[in-house]
Amino acid sequence: QVQLVQSGAEVKKPGASVKVSCKASGYIFTSYYMHWVRQAPGQGLDWMGIINPFSGSTTYAQRFQGRVTMTRDTSTSTVYMELSSLRSEDTAVYYCTRALVGVTHTASHWGQGTLVTVSS
Amino acid sequence: QSALTQPPSASGSPGQSVTISCTGTSSDVGRYYYVSWYQQQPGKAPKLVIYDVSKRPSGVPDRFSGSKSGNTASLTVSGLQAEDEADYYCSSYAGSDIPMLFGGGTKLTVL
Repeated sequence: QVQLVQSGAEVKKPGASVKVSCKASGYIFTSYYMHWVRQAPGQGLDWMGIINPFSGSTTYAQRFQGRVTMTRDTSTSTVYMELSSLRSEDTAVYYCTRALVGVTHTASHWGQGTLVTVSS
Repeated sequence: QSALTQPPSASGSPGQSVTISCTGTSSDVGRYYYVSWYQQQPGKAPKLVIYDVSKRPSGVPDRFSGSKSGNTASLTVSGLQAEDEADYYCSSYAGSDIPMLFGGGTKLTVL
């Protein structure tokens, strides 16, 4: 079965960077786009960007441009999301989520989430 | 691009039906048949319950249905059950630069 297993919780200071991993299993890794979505405490879902695991090409939400980098390692079926210049407003649960085959507009499977806390 | 608009709350009694709306623009909901709905239980990751406006993933009860008219999409939950109490989020494709534009979420309470 499809599984997305994310790395553990992180605590970072303002100005630092964080890198969250998401290891996929149970399907052909390179055949499905992967999104990153975050959710601040008590808030809604916020789309951050998408990566094509086959080509490595990425599209980022405009408000994260310049601060976010999404990469993948096909040898380990893992995608990564790195967010830099962290501020308190970046405190959130970060989810990786896989799209349906061949499309980019859905999130059919979700990781368990990674809590990133930004605090001095 | 602004977030899609959902009512903050909705409610219904067990066995009743409730409909949650999701309003966008002619650039997103109105333009594409790519609206999805997600259910999120407290402390858990979201779960896809409707995609492409009205399709249900395997395992989702047929009590969940979706539709769209113009710039507004809707999720209807029929035969409400206590387990349906959750937050519901809509999303729409808004072009290749914004493949998932979310609504603000609706908290569904089963009375």
